[in-house]
Amino acid sequence: LAKTTQPISMDSYEGQEVNITCSHNNIATNDYITWYQQFPSQGPRFIIQGYKTKVTNEVASLFIPADRKSSTLSLPRVSLSDTAVYYCLVGTPGTGGFKTIFGAGTRLFVKA
Amino acid sequence: SAVISQKPSRDICQRGTSLTIQCQVDSQVTMMFWYRQQPGQSLTLIATANQGSEATYESGFVIDKFPISRPNLTFSTLTVSNMSPEDSSIYLCSVSTGTQYFGPGTRLLVL
Repeated sequence: LAKTTQPISMDSYEGQEVNITCSHNNIATNDYITWYQQFPSQGPRFIIQGYKTKVTNEVASLFIPADRKSSTLSLPRVSLSDTAVYYCLVGTPGTGGFKTIFGAGTRLFVKA
Repeated sequence: SAVISQKPSRDICQRGTSLTIQCQVDSQVTMMFWYRQQPGQSLTLIATANQGSEATYESGFVIDKFPISRPNLTFSTLTVSNMSPEDSSIYLCSVSTGTQYFGPGTRLLVL
């Protein structure tokens, strides 16, 4: 399983765009990149998943360069409620799913 | 997606006792996972539970301490045995359908 490296923490202000970059130099050919959000006292919540190029959904965008050794989660116009820990994970979906190993995550603080 | 519930949501236990945590998912899934999250820390995988086979434990976790049952494709239990204060943590159930989903967790305090 590929190891991931993220910044430990980031600060932002309401209304700003936040970009969190994750390094995964040893990503395997079949690995997907997935980002989760976790609030205190809750389980992690799936945000977005991608394999290459760009993926966008209603809450975020995920940018993956051609070499796939890194990825960037982009949160547009954050609000106070986006203060949470964000985890970048890399893994290979298998039959029925795949095992996920969590790294340290990035603590995002959104200020008013 | 998958909706996961866990029971109990929290508990306070005495050292030396055992607690069984239940995990129920709203659809049939092959793979279920149990994680532990200590205060302020990331998640640590305890074991993978597939229906019809014994659970596979990660390094540092053993079956005698964390026995797991997986009687069918929608249910699993994790028992924390012979508890000590070091077992105080949040225990999370997770399932994978290609995307991984997590339950709300069980907050355990051992006195």
